[in-house]
Amino acid sequence: DAGITQSPRHKVTETGTPVTLRCHQTENHRYMYWYRQDPGHGLRLIHYSYGVKDTDKGEVSDGYSVSRSKTEDFLLTLESATSSQTSVYFCAIRGDTSYEQYFGPGTRLTVT
Amino acid sequence: EDQVTQSPEALRLQEGESSSLNCSYTVSGLRGLFWYRQDPGKGPEFLFTLYSAGEEKEKERLKATLTKKESFLHITAPKPEDSATYLCAVRGNTDKLIFGTGTRLQVFP
Repeated sequence: DAGITQSPRHKVTETGTPVTLRCHQTENHRYMYWYRQDPGHGLRLIHYSYGVKDTDKGEVSDGYSVSRSKTEDFLLTLESATSSQTSVYFCAIRGDTSYEQYFGPGTRLTVT
Repeated sequence: EDQVTQSPEALRLQEGESSSLNCSYTVSGLRGLFWYRQDPGKGPEFLFTLYSAGEEKEKERLKATLTKKESFLHITAPKPEDSATYLCAVRGNTDKLIFGTGTRLQVFP
C-alpha cells in the first residue's frame, strides 16, 4: 500500500468554523492532490501540488485553500465551512515517472 | 471538455457469470486511462493504466481493454469478493484526472 495517511478520518463541524485536513505521505513523491467525492459525481479535483510551495487549483477550488511547506504534508483548509462542503475528502499522490495516482483512506467531513 | 461516462451504474451478477463494464470518454490528447476499485468506506485502489488503443492489461479475473473512444473492464467468472465500485478516469493534456461516477458491482454466491 502507498504510504498515505489522512487525518482526521471523521469530523463533524458547524457552519462557519475553519477546518484543516491533513494528508501525510512517506513516499517522498512530488505530486499530491485533494479530491472530494459526492454521490452522483465522480471524484472531483480541489487543488493539487507539484512541489513544496507549488500549488494550483482544480475544478472545485472555491472555498478551499491548500498549503505545502514540506514534501510529506499537504494541508486542505476550509476557511469557513458550509453545508455544501459536507463530503468525503481523498488525498492522492503520484511519482515522477508514472501517471497513476494512489489514494489515501479518506476523511468524512460533516458540516452541520 | 474532457468527459467520462461509465455504464451501467449498477450491475448484479451471479458468481461465475462473466460480464463487462464500460467507460466511454472524450478527451483532448489521451495520456492515460485508469481503472480503480473502491470498497465501501475506503479510498480508490489502482488497478490498471492503458495508454493506447488496442492495449490490454490483466489481473486475476479482470481484463481491461482500450479503443479510441471507450474502455472495457471484463470480469471473468467473478467471485463475491469482486464486489466493489469500479472507477474509470482519463488524463488528457493537463496533469489532472477526470473521473466517471463508477459502476457498482455486486456478485452473489
